[in-house]
Parts: sequence; structure tokens; C-alpha cells
Amino acid sequence: QVQLQESGPGLVKPSQTLSLTCTVSGDSVSSSTYYWSWIRQPAGKALEWIGRIYSNGATNYSPSLKSRVSMSLDTSENQFFLWINSVTAADTAVYYCARVTYYFYMDVWGRGTTVTVSS
Amino acid sequence: DIQMTQSPSTLSASVGDRVTITCRASQSISTWLAWYQQKPGTAPKLLIYKASSLESGVPSRFSGSGSGTEFTLTISSLQPDDFATYHCLRYNPYSYSFGQGTKLEIK
Repeated sequence: QVQLQESGPGLVKPSQTLSLTCTVSGDSVSSSTYYWSWIRQPAGKALEWIGRIYSNGATNYSPSLKSRVSMSLDTSENQFFLWINSVTAADTAVYYCARVTYYFYMDVWGRGTTVTVSS
Repeated sequence: DIQMTQSPSTLSASVGDRVTITCRASQSISTWLAWYQQKPGTAPKLLIYKASSLESGVPSRFSGSGSGTEFTLTISSLQPDDFATYHCLRYNPYSYSFGQGTKLEIK
């Protein structure tokens, strides 16, 4: 059974960098069958796709966040990571990591972690 | 960017009812659409992919239909466990966009 678990600071100061980790169990981030993705949801708003990373490190980012976002993965720890720099209150949200199938839809999600941007 | 309009935002229904949720795309997306169920504090759960394909393990009372710009998720006979928020997702190899979500409440 595949499980994903998000972790990271729950509070980040404005202008600083948000960093999150997704730990995968039951599958491997080095699998050639899947991609790995980050999604977020501000309170009361729709889900928003942030980006996607493949096992070879290739990435795709949302155009609206591309200038501030980066992702990477660590195959030895079976984890992948999200960084968003220069955060503002608009980056306050529940952040989810998810596995993405070869056909590009997300099939397994983590439970999410809340990140608040505030001084 | 392709926008997804999901309706209604809230739906009140009773156990045993048949309910339908709609997602409309701002341009044709063929069948690149998925549906998810989400309960508070839990991970979104995949129900339907490719507009009408039922994910393994999902009860057959859930069904999806549509292509192009209009899509529906139907629950044929509501069960107590079905009261949750439902999201549609437009996907392709390059980008994604979600609907605003539909909260299904007990009447």
C-alpha cells in the first residue's frame, strides 16, 4: 500500500523560503512508472497544482509559480522536496504531495500539511 | 490557461438520493478529467480517471461521463460515507487545473 507523508515547518516568515518534504512508502521515487507532484489549497479556495518531478529529476512547474519554485528528490531516502522562495501570506495553504500516474493524473495523495506565512 | 467551472458549490441530499456534480472546461479537454473525494483532514481519494474509468476499489455507485467541455460525476444512491467534498481535475502532460469543489451535505 503506497503512502505519502508531508513534513516541514508549519510557520514561515514573509520573504523567506518554504521547504517541505514528502516521504514515500510502498513505492520508489526512482520508479520509471510514476511522477511525483505538489499541490496546495488555501483556505476556502480551490486546489492548485504547483509542479511535478520525474525520477530522473526532470521537472514541470505551474507557470504562475515557476519563478519561485524548485523541486528535487532523494532516491536514497525515498523522498522528494518542494521549495518556494520569497513567500507571502498568499502562500499560506495546506500543501499536499501526490503520486502521478504515467497518464498524468494523481492517484495517491498525502494527508497534507498546513503552512502559514506570518511574521 | 484552461479554467474548470464546477457546480454546484454545495449540494444537500439524503441517503438513497441520486446526485450529479458537473464540471465544465473553458475549452475542449477530450477526456483528460479525474474526480476526487475528500473528507476533512484526509487525503483526496481518486474516484474516476479519464472521465469515466472507475478507479479500482471504488464502489460502482460512482460513475463519470462526458468529453470535450462538459463532465459529470454521478452517485447513483447516496450512502452515509459519501458526504464529503468532491473535486474535478483537468490534467494533461503539461498542466493541471482543479474545479472549485462541491461540498455534499446531508439534507
